[in-house]
Amino acid sequence: GDSVTQMEGPVTLSEEAFLTINCTYTATGYPSLFWYVQYPGEGLQLLLKATKADDKGSNKGFEATYRKETTSFHLEKGSVQVSDSAVYFCALSAGGSQGNLIFGKGTKLSVKP
Amino acid sequence: NAGVTQTPKFQVLKTGQSMTLQCAQDMNHNSMYWYRQDPGMGLRLIYYSASEGTTDKGEVPNGYNVSRLNKREFSLRLESAAPSQTSVYFCASSEQRGANEQFFGPGTRLTVL
Repeated sequence: GDSVTQMEGPVTLSEEAFLTINCTYTATGYPSLFWYVQYPGEGLQLLLKATKADDKGSNKGFEATYRKETTSFHLEKGSVQVSDSAVYFCALSAGGSQGNLIFGKGTKLSVKP
Repeated sequence: NAGVTQTPKFQVLKTGQSMTLQCAQDMNHNSMYWYRQDPGMGLRLIYYSASEGTTDKGEVPNGYNVSRLNKREFSLRLESAAPSQTSVYFCASSEQRGANEQFFGPGTRLTVL
């Protein structure tokens, strides 16, 4: 079945460091891919998405490129801030999962000043 | 425009008690979802409703029932709570099932003693 694998955390970085959170997927067909962010005590918010191969999603300085050849959708940010501390979830939506979202287990990011 | 609202925010139950978690959305979305979030497990789909009048099981439906009361409201019921149902529950909605963004509520933290 469809699945998402993302790097386990926690990830701890200093402010202004470069961030990469790896995400790979297994899916039938051509899924749409998402990154969601969950700030402490809150629900999930969509951070960015890509709906076809080679698309790049971007928002708030974060980017991720849909790589069909490597079945990956890695999240990157050039310079993290303390306010980026949160849990990040990679997810896919594909026909094989009846159109529902399949989430990775989440990666907790802590950014120190 | 409140988005997705959930009540209550916190609840403590004893084993065997019942309760209903309420969810409402004001975005005129067709599809609604209930997830549970457990440490190290990401989000797992309990039930979903693709449109008003329909409900379907997700990945972990055992011990739960749902009601799509109308287009706005989607409730989750625990008939006889068990400690294994201690979790954070999130309701979400989307325009339709599939590749569209899902919007999440703030969550209900449930503890079953």
